[in-house]
Amino acid sequence: NAGVTQTPKFQVLKTGQSMTLQCAQDMNHEYMSWYRQDPGMGLRLIHYSVGAGITDQGEVPNGYNVSRSTTEDFPLRLLSAAPSQTSVYFCASSSYGTIYFGEGSWLTVV
Amino acid sequence: QQQVKQSPQSLIVQKGGISIINCAYENTAFDYFPWYQQFPGKGPALLIAIRPDVSEKKEGRFTISFNKSAKQFSLHIMDSQPGDSATYFCAASMRDGGSQGNLIFGKGTKLSVKP
Repeated sequence: NAGVTQTPKFQVLKTGQSMTLQCAQDMNHEYMSWYRQDPGMGLRLIHYSVGAGITDQGEVPNGYNVSRSTTEDFPLRLLSAAPSQTSVYFCASSSYGTIYFGEGSWLTVV
Repeated sequence: QQQVKQSPQSLIVQKGGISIINCAYENTAFDYFPWYQQFPGKGPALLIAIRPDVSEKKEGRFTISFNKSAKQFSLHIMDSQPGDSATYFCAASMRDGGSQGNLIFGKGTKLSVKP
């Protein structure tokens, strides 16, 4: 049982580059979300989706795009990376309010 | 505006001692209060959770105490072990409805249990 799978695990980007963080879940959960974790800041919600075709913004959405074409996948796109987006990114899926997190993607923007 | 305030930032406890982490929330619409445990290099994992219709929930060595009138809840780890050394996050959400997964996290407590 894979749960929530994120790729890549580590990535270094140059300022201005774009990239996509992939997230897939095999639990048939309707709800999926992306959080970023910064030292001393806890986890902050970037975007979330309550089902295929439906997305909405969280607390810190600027600089990020998402789409949800299938129940299983919820990619996070950085359109033009900035050093302020250096962070650890966690994808999550939820069933009846219990949230399951992926292992994280460490992103460094130089 | 920080909706969930967590303290302390760090905590050192001797093996066998009791670890206590406190959280306070502001939004009275919150009705689900989980605690997450995170080891270095890993994602947060659900440890224990409580709803406001009970004042305490115990699972093994982990207990949540909940005070609805004070809008506070706390995690107690009894007989703390070195393997409990991790970062702990409290969180809150409105469990029902479309945003049921939108957790608001505290900033975390780094627990070190000394042997």
